[in-house]
Amino acid sequence: TQLLEQSPQFLSIQEGENLTVYCNSSSVFSSLQWYRQEPGEGPVLLVTVVTGGEVKKLKRLTFQFGDARKDSSLHITAAQPGDTGLYLCAGADNQGGKLIFGQGTELSVKP
Amino acid sequence: SAVISQKPSRDICQRGTSLTIQCQVDSQVTMMFWYRQQPGQSLTLIATANQGSEATYESGFVIDKFPISRPNLTFSTLTVSNMSPEDSSIYLCSVVVGGNTEAFFGQGTRLTVV
Repeated sequence: TQLLEQSPQFLSIQEGENLTVYCNSSSVFSSLQWYRQEPGEGPVLLVTVVTGGEVKKLKRLTFQFGDARKDSSLHITAAQPGDTGLYLCAGADNQGGKLIFGQGTELSVKP
Repeated sequence: SAVISQKPSRDICQRGTSLTIQCQVDSQVTMMFWYRQQPGQSLTLIATANQGSEATYESGFVIDKFPISRPNLTFSTLTVSNMSPEDSSIYLCSVVVGGNTEAFFGQGTRLTVV
């Protein structure tokens, strides 16, 4: 069974601070995705990483895919209150392409 | 991409009753997925709804409790049957478009069973 361990589960920081969220597995994934979800809405795709060692940047967000394609990280620079939300990593399983989600990281950025 | 309309957005239901949630997609998709999410927590896959065949259920979920319809390539329904307070949760439908696994979600249905 493929599992994704996401940490931390909760993060409360002040505006302007940096943070990193981790997503780890003992299994290899062909790709990993990061989603952000706000209350009352469904998750929205932020990025997909496919190649081992890949780094993608989306404004203040930096996403990395581990060389072995078993782990990924999301780094936010100078967090803002608008970054508040639930961040989810997800990987496609080896059978049928179903997504396996990590436990999620509830981020709160205080002004 | 895909735009998904899910309804109702929320409901409060009496225990023992059933609720049907609808999911409409703006394009034809092969597979649609139904998830359950406790507030602030991650998503648990209930089943995969395939057009033209029975839904495939994940461990811990059964058809009698969560019957699913998939009459065409743009629409699906999930029914939560004989509800109890433990069924209070957010239910989300999702689709994957094209050849990749990137998912698009409806806005969810927040269900409270009293």
